[in-house]
Amino acid sequence: DAGVTQSPTHLIKTRGQQVTLRCSPISGHKSVSWYQQVLGQGPQFIFQYYEKEERGRGNFPDRFSARQFPNYSSELNVNALLLGDSALYLCASSWVMGEQYFGPGTRLTVT
Amino acid sequence: GESVGLHLPTLSVQEGDNSIINCAYSNSASDYFIWYKQESGKGPQFIIDIRSNMDKRQGQRVTVLLNKTVKHLSLQIAATQPGDSAVYFCAENGNSGYSTLTFGKGTMLLVSP
Repeated sequence: DAGVTQSPTHLIKTRGQQVTLRCSPISGHKSVSWYQQVLGQGPQFIFQYYEKEERGRGNFPDRFSARQFPNYSSELNVNALLLGDSALYLCASSWVMGEQYFGPGTRLTVT
Repeated sequence: GESVGLHLPTLSVQEGDNSIINCAYSNSASDYFIWYKQESGKGPQFIIDIRSNMDKRQGQRVTVLLNKTVKHLSLQIAATQPGDSAVYFCAENGNSGYSTLTFGKGTMLLVSP
């Protein structure tokens, strides 16, 4: 079975622009979570979606939004990009609770 | 606020040694803990987990110990190999009912041949 996939792998954006990151969970997994990992730190929770509904939200501004589609894939959107948004964005899928499987991440650079 | 942290940022060991990576957590409501390994350029990889009703859990070459009294978690790696070199994170699920994880800052494990 394929693992969690994310696209694109790398992305370079300019301050003020908007970005959309995509995630496909492991087949059969209905929950998708998004994390931001700044260089040298642990991942920080942004959102969790289960059955297309937001189930959890971390301490991130409203510029960050996400959604989950009927096929359980998910998108993370970030508006009005700031330099501080530069990070590795990780997607993780799980059945409901417990073990989360992470994708390889999308490296976002904001210049 | 509530947080999960690590005592040592870097741990250097010789191949074949046993490694111990420590983690302190502060959320007493946490009931599920996980250790992840992250290699350069990759996402975190699940190693082993433990629930709060257990003190110890063993996997292949790895053991996780949980001391709820002092809110301490450790990962023991037996016969450490160069391929074990990576950053290790502990994470906790604050009993939110759904899978949201709070990660510590990570410990870099360096294994020399």
